[in-house]
Amino acid sequence: KQEVTQIPAALSVPEGENLVLNCSFTDSAIYNLQWFRQDPGKGLTSLLLIQSSQREQTSGRLNASLDKSSGRSTLYIAASQPGDSATYLCAVKDTGNQFYFGTGTSLTVIP
Amino acid sequence: EAGVAQSPRYKIIEKRQSVAFWCNPISGHATLYWYQQILGQGPKLLIQFQNNGVVDDSQLPKDRFSAERLKGVDSTLKIQPAKLEDSAVYLCASSLVRGWADLQETQYFGPGTRLLVL
Repeated sequence: KQEVTQIPAALSVPEGENLVLNCSFTDSAIYNLQWFRQDPGKGLTSLLLIQSSQREQTSGRLNASLDKSSGRSTLYIAASQPGDSATYLCAVKDTGNQFYFGTGTSLTVIP
Repeated sequence: EAGVAQSPRYKIIEKRQSVAFWCNPISGHATLYWYQQILGQGPKLLIQFQNNGVVDDSQLPKDRFSAERLKGVDSTLKIQPAKLEDSAVYLCASSLVRGWADLQETQYFGPGTRLLVL
């Protein structure tokens, strides 16, 4: 069974810093990987989706990379802002059409 | 474009009672998902529909949970009878996916229904 781990569980940084969130998965036979953000009391918002054949995806200040062979993905956030404060979740879809989420990294950007 | 709608937003029931949640996906989205998110954990996929057919329900506790998506649009998720451990946020999501070759798999989530079982 696929297991998805996110480290650290919580992260606090001053505004303007660049930061990296980590996601690891145990089974490299994935179909795709998505990064989401979740604000308190709200649903999830998809940030980036990387297909298994891709190495990275970029959207604005966000860059997600995927190393399928080592079972790792990173989400890079450039020039962090207080509005980036949220919980960031990664999820993998396996070749059996099942989705597995990590427990998330709670990010606080301090003004 | 309207997002994924869910109701109710909050529900408090006693154990052994029944409860139902409703989801209306984004118009034109063929795939609909129900997730259970227990406090402090990531969402767990319960069931996935493609139009009105079930694609995967391997993690749905079928002895007490049921879901349907009549006419391939709205969906309801029911719990009967509820247990204390069912307390969670139930999230509905939808995506454009219409088949294995379709890469438009970005999922759009509703605000969720927060269930408390006493």
